[in-house]
Amino acid sequence: KQEVTQIPAALSVPEGENLVLNCSFTDSAIYNLQWFRQDPGKGLTSLLLIQSSQREQTSGRLNASLDKSSGRSTLYIAASQPGDSATYLCAVNDYKLSFGAGTTVTVRA
Amino acid sequence: KAGVTQTPRYLIKTRGQQVTLSCSPISGHRSVSWYQQTPGQGLQFLFEYFSETQRNKGNFPGRFSGRQFSNSRSEMNVSTLELGDSALYLCASSLEGESSYNSPLHFGNGTRLTVT
Repeated sequence: KQEVTQIPAALSVPEGENLVLNCSFTDSAIYNLQWFRQDPGKGLTSLLLIQSSQREQTSGRLNASLDKSSGRSTLYIAASQPGDSATYLCAVNDYKLSFGAGTTVTVRA
Repeated sequence: KAGVTQTPRYLIKTRGQQVTLSCSPISGHRSVSWYQQTPGQGLQFLFEYFSETQRNKGNFPGRFSGRQFSNSRSEMNVSTLELGDSALYLCASSLEGESSYNSPLHFGNGTRLTVT
């Protein structure tokens, strides 16, 4: 059974600091890994998807890396802003998404 | 392009009743998945439909069922509601092919179900 762990559970940083969010998973037989953002009471917004054959993906201030053999992914958010405050979830896809519990990020103005 | 639409946004039901939730996927998306989100268990996979057929199923009791129509719209039904069914139910659609799982999932805003 796929287990997905996200560390840390919560993070508070001043505006402008870079964010590093970690995700680990136990079974490397995955199709892809997807990072999401969730705002309170809302659904999930897709941020980045990394196919199993890829090492990283970038979109604007966001960069995600994937090391499938060691079961790890990292999401980097550069120059954080208060609008980045949300819960970030990683999910691995092995025909269904298995989610981590998320990292709740607070960016202080 | 319109996103994934879920209706209703909020529902309050009583134990023992049944409920039906609706999901309209992004136009052109043929795969629809359902997830349950609770504070204690996080996000858990319920089932996935592709071309009107259930393709995969999670570990939920038979009280949870779904279906998909020819226009890819999907409904989820929960019978004999229990207090523990209170959750945010999220629907996601993707542009999956018949045997692929390579496309990103796009989620709706969910239906908040409260069972009293």
